[in-house]
Amino acid sequence: EIVLTQSPATLSLSPGERATLSCRASQSVSIYLAWYQQKPGQSPRLLIYDTSYRAIGIPARFSGSGSGTDFTLTISSLEPEDSAVYYCQQRHDWPRTFGQGSKVEIK
Amino acid sequence: QITLKESGPTLVKPTQTLTLTCTFSGFSLTSTLVGVGWLRQAPGKAPEWLALLYWDDEKRYSPSLESRLTITKDTSENRVVFTMTDMDPVDTARYYCAHWTGAIDLWGPGIVVTVSS
Repeated sequence: EIVLTQSPATLSLSPGERATLSCRASQSVSIYLAWYQQKPGQSPRLLIYDTSYRAIGIPARFSGSGSGTDFTLTISSLEPEDSAVYYCQQRHDWPRTFGQGSKVEIK
Repeated sequence: QITLKESGPTLVKPTQTLTLTCTFSGFSLTSTLVGVGWLRQAPGKAPEWLALLYWDDEKRYSPSLESRLTITKDTSENRVVFTMTDMDPVDTARYYCAHWTGAIDLWGPGIVVTVSS
């Protein structure tokens, strides 16, 4: 099973700042990594798929990069509504697995 | 517009079998590369993938739970049924069905299932 490790666990930043979230895989997942945003009381929402493709309706301030075992989700300029937990997930191998999540707090 | 909604019991007793139904609209499970999957999320934890059913009837299960899981489709009714046997209190979680085309494009609202006697 591919283990995804996310860092940091919590990130506290001010509006307008840049957020950089990391996801490291225990073995290569090629480009097959997605990012989801989950706000309290809501279902997760797809942000990025296959490393760098934004899902429909996702603002351009969200971007993804990486390949192999190291991936990054960047929020270029934080908005108050970006306060959430962010999960990475791989679809390279079975079983599909998720990272443990990174919480973004807006000061 | 794609929608999914989970239904089923919110309380089950230990050792019982959980049966959940995902009713969906806005897509067909006969369309190439489309799948419907089930996931769960315990409070404060990351989501956990459980099962996935593809348009061609290929089925995939989480290896750690495979012996307890079944996923089937009712194409004519736009439903996918998920069962998990021998429920235990550790299985208490919100259970989601979701639309898959590679990534998980859309999640249903989920249903909270509590396992308690």
